[in-house]
Amino acid sequence: DVQLVESGGGLVQSGGSLRLSCAASGFIFRESWMTWVRQAPGKGLEWVANINQDGNERNYVDSVKGRFTISRDNAKNSLYLQMNSLRAEDTAIYYCAKLVRYPTNWFDPWGQGTQVTVSS
Amino acid sequence: DIQLTQSPSFLSPSVGDRVTITCRASQPFSSYLAWYQQKSRKAPNVLIYSVSTLQSGVPSRFSGSGLGTEFTLTIDSVQPEDSAVYYCQQLFIYPWTFGQGTKLEVK
Repeated sequence: DVQLVESGGGLVQSGGSLRLSCAASGFIFRESWMTWVRQAPGKGLEWVANINQDGNERNYVDSVKGRFTISRDNAKNSLYLQMNSLRAEDTAIYYCAKLVRYPTNWFDPWGQGTQVTVSS
Repeated sequence: DIQLTQSPSFLSPSVGDRVTITCRASQPFSSYLAWYQQKSRKAPNVLIYSVSTLQSGVPSRFSGSGLGTEFTLTIDSVQPEDSAVYYCQQLFIYPWTFGQGTKLEVK
């Protein structure tokens, strides 16, 4: 079965840093684009970032550019999100997902999410 | 950025009703639209991709259509287990964006 398991969330003070991880199994990770999506409390979904198979193409939503870095380790079947200069508005559940890119784009499957809380 | 506006924001149909959720885009785009279902704050699951292609394992009562700036998700004969929040998403132009969500509560 395809499985994505996030970890690394927690409570951090404003201005602090956190590194999220996403462990992948059940598919050929090194051949897959991956993505992060977040959901603030009581709010909808927001795409955060994606990364291609070898890590040399990365895209971000403007609100996290310069603060967040998406990366991957194909040898460990793992995806990461380094979050620096955290703000209260970054408080959310963070989901990793596999990005399917043919014939169009969509996210499937998603992990169960990890909670990030930024205190101000 | 492409803004996606879903309507209605809330629906409360009876079992067996036909339900339509609309997703309107601030500018036209082609094919790169997906629909997701999120139950009880669990992780979302894709229902439809490429506007109208049903994801494997999704019941055939779900269907998608549209082009340009208007897209629809239809549920024929809605069931109690369809109670959830539904989101459309465009993956055509960065930043990829979601609609604000439609909450469906089946009576």
